[in-house]
Amino acid sequence: KAGVTQTPRYLIKTRGQQVTLSCSPISGHRSVSWYQQTPGQGLQFLFEYFSETQRNKGNFPGRFSGRQFSNSRSEMNVSTLELGDSALYLCASSLAFADTQYFGPGTRLTVL
Amino acid sequence: GEDVEQSLFLSVREGDSSVINCTYTDSSSTYLYWYKQEPGAGLQLLTYIFSNMDMKQDQRLTVLLNKKDKHLSLRIADTQTGDSAIYFCAETNPGGGADGLTFGKGTHLIIQP
Repeated sequence: KAGVTQTPRYLIKTRGQQVTLSCSPISGHRSVSWYQQTPGQGLQFLFEYFSETQRNKGNFPGRFSGRQFSNSRSEMNVSTLELGDSALYLCASSLAFADTQYFGPGTRLTVL
Repeated sequence: GEDVEQSLFLSVREGDSSVINCTYTDSSSTYLYWYKQEPGAGLQLLTYIFSNMDMKQDQRLTVLLNKKDKHLSLRIADTQTGDSAIYFCAETNPGGGADGLTFGKGTHLIIQP
């Protein structure tokens, strides 16, 4: 069974731009979570989607948003990029809400 | 809020056992996880333990949970160079409206030849 896939793997943007990251969960998994990983703050929870609904949200500004489609694929969007948004963005999928999470390889976002 | 603490570095000799420790503060944590991250990669789920268990063994991995002290450990037997990575401890409490996994900062496991 294929694992979690994330696209693109690497991205370079400039301040003020917006970006959309994509995540395809493991086949049959219906929940997708997103995390931000930085050297300073470590791994921080962004949000979790299940059945196209956001079930939980971490402590991030409204510039960070996401959605989930009927096929369980998910996208996250960051608007008005700031230098501090440079990070590895990890997507994780699970069978159901709050279930064991399996992570993708991440998208490395660099904001210049 | 909830917190998970880990030592930043652990250095062991190849062939020895590695023991990575983790403490957490949320007494209602239900599931506790160990993930491994190699350079440039995502997180690989190694193992997990439910809070009503005190030990779980899976091949070279042994997880010990002391719920009273809120202490979790991961023992890797016969440590190999391929075990060199960052190991993250994480906890969650699904029944409490959990806001995802709460991670420690990670322990860098360094293998000496």
